[in-house]
Amino acid sequence: QQQVKQSPQSLIVQKGGISIINCAYENTAFDYFPWYQQFPGKGPALLIAIRPDVSEKKEGRFTISFNKSAKQFSLHIMDSQPGDSATYFCAASSGGSQGNLIFGKGTKLSVKP
Amino acid sequence: ETGVTQSPTHLIKTRGQQVTLRCSSQSGHNTVSWYQQALGQGPQFIFQYYREEENGRGNFPPRFSGLQFPNYSSELNVNALELDDSALYLCASIPGRGLAGPGRKETQYFGPGTRLLVL
Repeated sequence: QQQVKQSPQSLIVQKGGISIINCAYENTAFDYFPWYQQFPGKGPALLIAIRPDVSEKKEGRFTISFNKSAKQFSLHIMDSQPGDSATYFCAASSGGSQGNLIFGKGTKLSVKP
Repeated sequence: ETGVTQSPTHLIKTRGQQVTLRCSSQSGHNTVSWYQQALGQGPQFIFQYYREEENGRGNFPPRFSGLQFPNYSSELNVNALELDDSALYLCASIPGRGLAGPGRKETQYFGPGTRLLVL
């Protein structure tokens, strides 16, 4: 049973456009929702994270929108750049930032110049 | 730069063999998690160690085992390797609550991984 469902599987965006990646979860005990960015040959690196008591969090060009009632959260990348081309994973944990992370299957983002 | 290192970077083994993968966490991080990432998939939680004791385990068989040492290093051991064990193995160094350090976020800091191929 996949506890975190991520879509789309791949995404192509023009430079300067908005990239949007969506995730849905089932377990209402989840209390920490991070987004990770992974480049080929590297480990995942935290982009931004949110807790369920907040509906939106913005850090630079990256924004998480969180809908607790719908059990959905999304990542918005504003002014997308070719350097943003990577694989993005949403994740969730019921043990805060220290708990075991349940990852989505990933979205491969390609930003065209 | 996460300050987390893993060795070796790549490894080729044959079915039935045993393998040991190593991770060096950030100093002061007394929790480490290990994840398996199959090609084209998200990482899957294997287990977590806190102060040298196993502190949670995912859906992996007992032939996956671990050790954590007082010097913030840890090992993942896999016995009786199977073809499906071919994957990228990631360790994540985790600070204690409120102990991430100045300018650092409370999150899991991943190493670059060890790519294991089982033939």
